[in-house]
Amino acid sequence: SQQGEEDPQALSIQEGENATMNCSYKTSINNLQWYRQNSGRGLVHLILIRSNEREKHSGRLRVTLDTSKKSSSLLITASRAADTASYFCATDISNFGNEKLTFGTGTRLTIIP
Amino acid sequence: DTAVSQTPKYLVTQMGNDKSIKCEQNLGHDTMYWYKQDSKKFLKIMFSYNNKELIINETVPNRFSPKSPDKAHLNLHINSLELGDSAVYFCASSQDQGPSAYNEQFFGPGTRLTVL
Repeated sequence: SQQGEEDPQALSIQEGENATMNCSYKTSINNLQWYRQNSGRGLVHLILIRSNEREKHSGRLRVTLDTSKKSSSLLITASRAADTASYFCATDISNFGNEKLTFGTGTRLTIIP
Repeated sequence: DTAVSQTPKYLVTQMGNDKSIKCEQNLGHDTMYWYKQDSKKFLKIMFSYNNKELIINETVPNRFSPKSPDKAHLNLHINSLELGDSAVYFCASSQDQGPSAYNEQFFGPGTRLTVL
């Protein structure tokens, strides 16, 4: 089964509102990353949070990590139409040099103008 | 300048054929990957190479054979294509590999493979 699962699977909000997506995972991680995928495109890295960090910001993005609950959240503030995309969390559980990202199922975010 | 490029972007072929997808990165990265994204958008790693050496092979049928002629290229050859191989295949690269906190991956635009 997947390491990461996003919640909700789909989210529609009005432009200007905040969007929150959650990710749960199963095993211990080195870091957790969030990626965005626009329709028909490859994934774009948004933010990386290490296992010893609890919160990280990048522009309108805020990511939290709770390793005790094995969960992370991505908050996009003041959403824009251009934020419409699928968002994936990915956990890095590399061990002894075999780095591997395991992706979650994704949240499809739609921003309504 | 495109960081990670793949060719072709679309590939439509008959069952049983052999096809190849090419990937090149100009980021100077040491590690490259192939992922498969199915119709439900689930993204799963297939292979990773570090400096032309196979590091990860995720229980992929041996009809799939990656080849890395140099660290900037990782091609994917698929023999005897099956209907279930239809998916979008993504190439990616990262600076290095190992338990590092900075291994963000850079993805190519994807190759949509349709097997008829």
